[in-house]
Amino acid sequence: QVHLVQSGAEVKKPGSSVKVSCKASGDTFSNYAIGWVRQAPGQGLEWMGGIIPMSGTANQTQKFQGRVTINADASTRTVYMELTSLSSADTAVYYCASAEMAAIYQSDFYMGVWGKGTTVTVSS
Amino acid sequence: SYEMTQPPSKSVSPGQTASITCSGDKLGDKYVSWYQQKPGQSPILVIFQDNRRPSGIPERFSGSNSGNTATLTISGTQAVDEADYYCQAWDTSIVIFGGGTKLTVL
Repeated sequence: QVHLVQSGAEVKKPGSSVKVSCKASGDTFSNYAIGWVRQAPGQGLEWMGGIIPMSGTANQTQKFQGRVTINADASTRTVYMELTSLSSADTAVYYCASAEMAAIYQSDFYMGVWGKGTTVTVSS
Repeated sequence: SYEMTQPPSKSVSPGQTASITCSGDKLGDKYVSWYQQKPGQSPILVIFQDNRRPSGIPERFSGSNSGNTATLTISGTQAVDEADYYCQAWDTSIVIFGGGTKLTVL
């Protein structure tokens, strides 16, 4: 199984950007896709987008298109999520999570391993 | 865009069976996963591919999916099962989560 370690908490000003990292260790990196999920205080889970690190193929939900960039450095087994034009509505815990490529090939996507989350606070 | 609906809350007595539903159009045509999340913790996968349990998840957790409804069933519910539960599916390469159900064991 893969193990995911995320970068530390961030405090940002409105209008700025944040870049969160997610470093994988353990199992073969090419066996997984990595997704990003956020959770605002007291709210549910919200999918942002994901990437297949070995191919670099990434997508994101329409809500975040134009504001989120997800990329990966396969040499360091690290995936990055950058969110721009921050507002207070972006204050949330941001999780990375892994999905097995074997399942994706069967038209399924479930996240078996999650990082501990990165708290991003947007405040003036 | 595809949507899935869960009841916001559910209560169950210890030892009883809790059933949490997740509804969506033709949901039975998709694979459904379920996650458990306790306060201040990351979500944990408890069911995947409708009814399969990951290693380490107790047998009291089971799932089903047919028609427009997927169901997570917890048999012999224990106090440690008190948590938020989220259903999740995959539609046109986008992950969709249900709104979550807060399970209270009392």
